[in-house]
Amino acid sequence: GQQVMQIPQYQHVQEGEDFTTYCNSSTTLSNIQWYKQRPGGHPVFLIQLVKSGEVKKQKRLTFQFGEAKKNSSLHITATQTTDVGTYFCAGLGAGNQFYFGTGTSLTVIP
Amino acid sequence: DTGVSQNPRHKITKRGQNVTFRCDPISEHNRLYWYRQTLGQGPEFLTYFQNEAQLEKSRLLSDRFSAERPKGSFSTLEIQRTEQGDSAMYLCASSFSPRGEQFFGPGTRLTVL
Repeated sequence: GQQVMQIPQYQHVQEGEDFTTYCNSSTTLSNIQWYKQRPGGHPVFLIQLVKSGEVKKQKRLTFQFGEAKKNSSLHITATQTTDVGTYFCAGLGAGNQFYFGTGTSLTVIP
Repeated sequence: DTGVSQNPRHKITKRGQNVTFRCDPISEHNRLYWYRQTLGQGPEFLTYFQNEAQLEKSRLLSDRFSAERPKGSFSTLEIQRTEQGDSAMYLCASSFSPRGEQFFGPGTRLTVL
């Protein structure tokens, strides 16, 4: 079946360092969404990418969608303690279902 | 509109009992999703509705699970003869368009003893 994997599973960074999480799908995706989930909270939408090779920025966050539409990445520049949480990608694949990745848990050390 | 709401927020039940959860989506949203999330994992798709029509169900969804959205507004998810493996957070999400941003509710945490 369709799978979406994320690496790394956990990342600990010093405040001010950069952070990147990678999302890889076993099949081509129609689009990809990114969500952030704070501890004890629910997923909150960050952004959606649709086009092959698309790059979008939100302040310190940069999102990319791969040329083959099978992978994506989220990069955070100069992390802050408010960035703490788990970041999930969700790809729209077969059956018009969203397949969520396994998530990357980010810890920022002050 | 205060967003997607789910009730109850917590449910503890004994194995073998039936449970029902409710989701109230954002009012103008046509699409409604149900997901299950266990600790350390991403949300796992269960099913979704376009208005009142249930369009897709996960192959992982056993016949003990059933969902309805009778009037295209709120939805219910029922689990019959609960098992300990059903213990999880059950998340509901809604969206305005089929491929658009999903707004998640706070979830219902189910514990099966």
